[in-house]
Amino acid sequence: GAGVSQSPRYKVAKRGQDVALRCDPISGHVSLFWYQQALGQGPEFLTYFQNEAQLDKSGLPSDRFFAERPEGSVSTLKIQRTQQEDSAVYLCASSLGDETRAETQYFGPGTRLLVL
Amino acid sequence: AQSVTQLDSQVPVFEEAPVELRCNYSSSVSVYLFWYVQYPNQGLQLLLKYLSGSTLVKGINGFEAEFNKSQTSFHLRKPSVHISDTAEYFCAVSDASGGSYIPTFGRGTSLIVHP
Repeated sequence: GAGVSQSPRYKVAKRGQDVALRCDPISGHVSLFWYQQALGQGPEFLTYFQNEAQLDKSGLPSDRFFAERPEGSVSTLKIQRTQQEDSAVYLCASSLGDETRAETQYFGPGTRLLVL
Repeated sequence: AQSVTQLDSQVPVFEEAPVELRCNYSSSVSVYLFWYVQYPNQGLQLLLKYLSGSTLVKGINGFEAEFNKSQTSFHLRKPSVHISDTAEYFCAVSDASGGSYIPTFGRGTSLIVHP
């Protein structure tokens, strides 16, 4: 079956531009996470959805970052007025149920964002 | 709060040699532990996880890890590596006590297998 997909795979933005990153989780997966991965670092939590509900957005670095999952499947991470420090790989992961502590997360290939 | 330390940023090894990638964690509560692998231009993929029971966990591709509670470690081992094992390896921890559902990842260890 299809895994988690993300688009675009690569995005170059000029500073100040808005960007939207899309995540298609595995069909039927309840939980969805967004992570930011800086060069040479592990994934850092951004936000978490259970179905359409955004249960935790404590990892979003500023109010320029916004995420949604309106129908409980596809999710979009939007970054407004991008800054150079936003350059990173943005990873999306989904898991089957709501017991996320023990469940395997299935990761997409990521979107590599470069802000010039 | 919990944290994960992967002491080695890079581990070079020759093909068919054994390897150990180290992971230590810090947590005030009981934990679940994971190892993920990331091949170039791909997402992370689960290698193995410890939830409970036997402290020796076997995973995919011949990898295994041992949970040592007293040393707060979860080192990953493989007795004989292949060129295809060259990748980035991430250790992760999550709260098993029913608290935060947000996993914490280490910085990663780059395993480089030489012919």
